Amino acid sequence: ELKVEQNPLFLSMQEGKNYTIYCNYSTTSDRLYWYRQDPGKSLESLFVLLSNGAVKQEGRLMASLDTKARLSTLHITAAVHDLSATYFCAVDRGGGATNKLIFGTGTLLAIQP
Amino acid sequence: DTAVSQTPKYLVTQMGNDKSIKCEQNLGHDTMYWYKQDSKKFLKIMFSYNNKELIINETVPNRFSPKSPDKAHLNLHINSLELGDSAVYFCASSQYGRLGLNEQFFGPGTRLTVL
Repeated sequence: ELKVEQNPLFLSMQEGKNYTIYCNYSTTSDRLYWYRQDPGKSLESLFVLLSNGAVKQEGRLMASLDTKARLSTLHITAAVHDLSATYFCAVDRGGGATNKLIFGTGTLLAIQP
Repeated sequence: DTAVSQTPKYLVTQMGNDKSIKCEQNLGHDTMYWYKQDSKKFLKIMFSYNNKELIINETVPNRFSPKSPDKAHLNLHINSLELGDSAVYFCASSQYGRLGLNEQFFGPGTRLTVL
């Protein structure tokens, strides 16, 4: 059974600092997703990573994928308060047209001014 | 221009009742999903439909019955509600593209509270 683990589960950091959220998964997959969820809101897609070595960046967020290590990272650069949210990684266990996302536990990111 | 919409947003009901949640997407996607997010924010897939055909049916009690009248709609009916059904239910949709992205877009969620 596929397990997806994120760490840390909770991260409190100061504005301006850098930090990384880690997503480990237990079996092979070729698609990994990062989502953001604000309190009481829906999930917003951030990144789709499709291959080994894939790196994507949007603003202060950068995601990478190492399929051999079964590890994805979400790096936050010079954090700002607006990035406070819960971040989920999800690994695709489906195939073809239908994907079956197995979500990680989520990382609650609290950025203090 | 809501891409994936759900109704109702909140649902408060008594144990033993039957309730339905509706989902509609206007993205032209061919696959739709139901997820359950529990009080610890853990997200788990329940069902998926591709072109109105049931594709994924996780170990969900028979009291939960999805119905897809067409590609743009996926409803969830729950019979004999129990306390443990209290959660936020998210609908999502995706389209398998040339690049294989299969990115899922989520609705706003329905917060179900069973008393």
